[in-house]
Amino acid sequence: GQQLNQSPQSMFIQEGEDVSMNCTSSSIFNTWLWYKQEPGEGPVLLIALYKAGELTSNGRLTAQFGITRKDSFLNISASIPSDVGIYFCAGQLDTGNQFYFGTGTSLTVIP
Amino acid sequence: NAGVMQNPRHLVRRRGQEARLRCSPMKGHSHVYWYRQLPEEGLKFMVYLQKENIIDESGMPKERFSAEFPKEGPSILRIQQVVRGDSAAYFCASSPRVTFEAFFGQGTRLTVV
Repeated sequence: GQQLNQSPQSMFIQEGEDVSMNCTSSSIFNTWLWYKQEPGEGPVLLIALYKAGELTSNGRLTAQFGITRKDSFLNISASIPSDVGIYFCAGQLDTGNQFYFGTGTSLTVIP
Repeated sequence: NAGVMQNPRHLVRRRGQEARLRCSPMKGHSHVYWYRQLPEEGLKFMVYLQKENIIDESGMPKERFSAEFPKEGPSILRIQQVVRGDSAAYFCASSPRVTFEAFFGQGTRLTVV
């Protein structure tokens, strides 16, 4: 199956700092999604991207669909303790069907 | 996401028993995806269904696992003769169409003892 490389694997940051994480693929995707998952819960959709170059914001979160269609970035500004969780990227090929998930970025925010 | 309902939330089965996991998609969604997640790992695709049809089951083990999404009622993921290695969190997601965002349920945590 498709491999989505997500980095960094984990981050420990101070409250108020900005966060950046990214996801890369060897294949071209037509959709990129970003999810957050907290312990014992299902992934919650944060941002959806459908067009190369698209930049979309959701509050303090901003995500971009890379021009090459092989990568995506998620930024979180002014982090707060409730941002703690694991962030997953997910991509879908032009052929549709399944979403391929990245390996996740674990975020810890130190108050 | 509260819109996608999965039950039960927790399921304990003895080795050799059957496990049935249910997923009710969000209203108006006719596309359902099932994923499996092992502790400390990402989500692995199992199967993608539309109403009454299996579209892609490339991630589903060939034996003991089956899925359906009938015209009426929830989607069911069925695991026969469970083994300890089947212990995992199983998530279902739904979408209104194929190239669109998918919303996840809270998952069913299966423990095989």
